[in-house]
Amino acid sequence: EVQLLESGGGLVQPGGSLRLSCAASGFTFSTCAMGWVRQAPGKGLEWVSVISGSGGTIYYTDSVKGRFTISRDNSKNTLYLQMNSLRAEDTAVYYCVKVPPVVVFAAYYFDYWGQGTLVTVSS
Amino acid sequence: DIVMTQSPDSLAVSLGERATINCKSSQSVLYSSNNKNYLAWYQQKPGQPPKLLIYWASTRESGVPDRFSGSGSGTDFTLTISSLQAEDVAFYYCQQYYSTLPITFGPGTKVDIK
Repeated sequence: EVQLLESGGGLVQPGGSLRLSCAASGFTFSTCAMGWVRQAPGKGLEWVSVISGSGGTIYYTDSVKGRFTISRDNSKNTLYLQMNSLRAEDTAVYYCVKVPPVVVFAAYYFDYWGQGTLVTVSS
Repeated sequence: DIVMTQSPDSLAVSLGERATINCKSSQSVLYSSNNKNYLAWYQQKPGQPPKLLIYWASTRESGVPDRFSGSGSGTDFTLTISSLQAEDVAFYYCQQYYSTLPITFGPGTKVDIK
């Protein structure tokens, strides 16, 4: 059974930093691209970032470029999101998401989602 | 950016009746080299993470009831729930993955029971 367990959320002041982690199990982690999708309170879904299985290909949405860094440790089956220079508009539930194993190149839809971790940026 | 729009914003349907949600992309998400539409649909129930329903515009994810179906091509897509059940009350989102710069979701459609 695929499981994605996020951790690391919490309350942080504007300008602060947080690192989110996502512990994955139930599938061959290194063969799957992974990503982060966020949802502000009462709002819709916003894609944040995606990383290929090897970690060699990374994409970000424009609003987090230069502030957020996605990475993965395939030896630990863990995905990370380092978030720096946080802003109030980064307040959201952050979901760890899994991409199906590659059948078609760069087909980044998400077949499994974690329960999410809440990040609140406020003074 | 490929902008995704959905209509209606919300709808209320009687139990057992059909629910239809539309999704439109600002440019085609049909990749000509493989004839695939890079479009997925998700269901999000209150307090839960989203769940994948449909990918490649019309391929149902394993375990998804067959009352859910996806159709369309190019820029216009539809999610149909053929016979609405109480457990289908949720928000529904479309997502394009044709472009990763950025990957974009529709704003969502809320489905309720009339």
